[in-house]
Amino acid sequence: DAKTTQPNSMESNEEEPVHLPCNHSTISGTDYIHWYRQLPSQGPEYVIHGLTSNVNNRMASLAIAEDRKSSTLILHRATLRDAAVYYCILTNSGYALNFGKGTSLLVTP
Amino acid sequence: NAGVMQNPRHLVRRRGQEARLRCSPVKGHSHVYWYRQLPEEGLKFMVYLQKENIIDESGMPKERFSAEFPKEGPSILRIQQVVRGDSAAYFCASSPLTGSSYNEQFFGPGTRLTVL
Repeated sequence: DAKTTQPNSMESNEEEPVHLPCNHSTISGTDYIHWYRQLPSQGPEYVIHGLTSNVNNRMASLAIAEDRKSSTLILHRATLRDAAVYYCILTNSGYALNFGKGTSLLVTP
Repeated sequence: NAGVMQNPRHLVRRRGQEARLRCSPVKGHSHVYWYRQLPEEGLKFMVYLQKENIIDESGMPKERFSAEFPKEGPSILRIQQVVRGDSAAYFCASSPLTGSSYNEQFFGPGTRLTVL
């Protein structure tokens, strides 16, 4: 699976939008882009996934660049409960997720 | 509705002993996945199982590790003759059977294995 690059950490104020970037310049045509998040001492939680088009769900939005070499996870209004490590993952198998180091999001009141 | 359940949550073993980790998927889910998270690293895929079948074990170490998902009961990840390098958090995830090529995975809280 192709490699992803994410910033180590980001900080946001509560109730502000957050844009979490992910670079994946070696993505292949069949790679899905997945986002999961993990709170301390818990298992990961699914956030969103997409292939080519932008996606929205109740948790977040996923904006995918036209060339698919980067994507951005958008949390529209960050809350304290959104503080977590966010992982951008590529896979063409549909199930084998290999997590990198992710972005640690700090949300301040 | 109960989510994915894993037990034990913490397991301590001495080198050479066996470790058995159990995973009960979300009710109605027929796909189970095991992942390992070594200290300071992200989760890595180990194995994908459906009831009574191993679908993909490409991430599983070739020796000492095995996994099963019997017709009845939880999925079991078994590590024989544990070594210190097996100390890690082991996560189980499950997903439903759908017609989609991609299924959201629901993760359990993990089992933290410590090998002395």
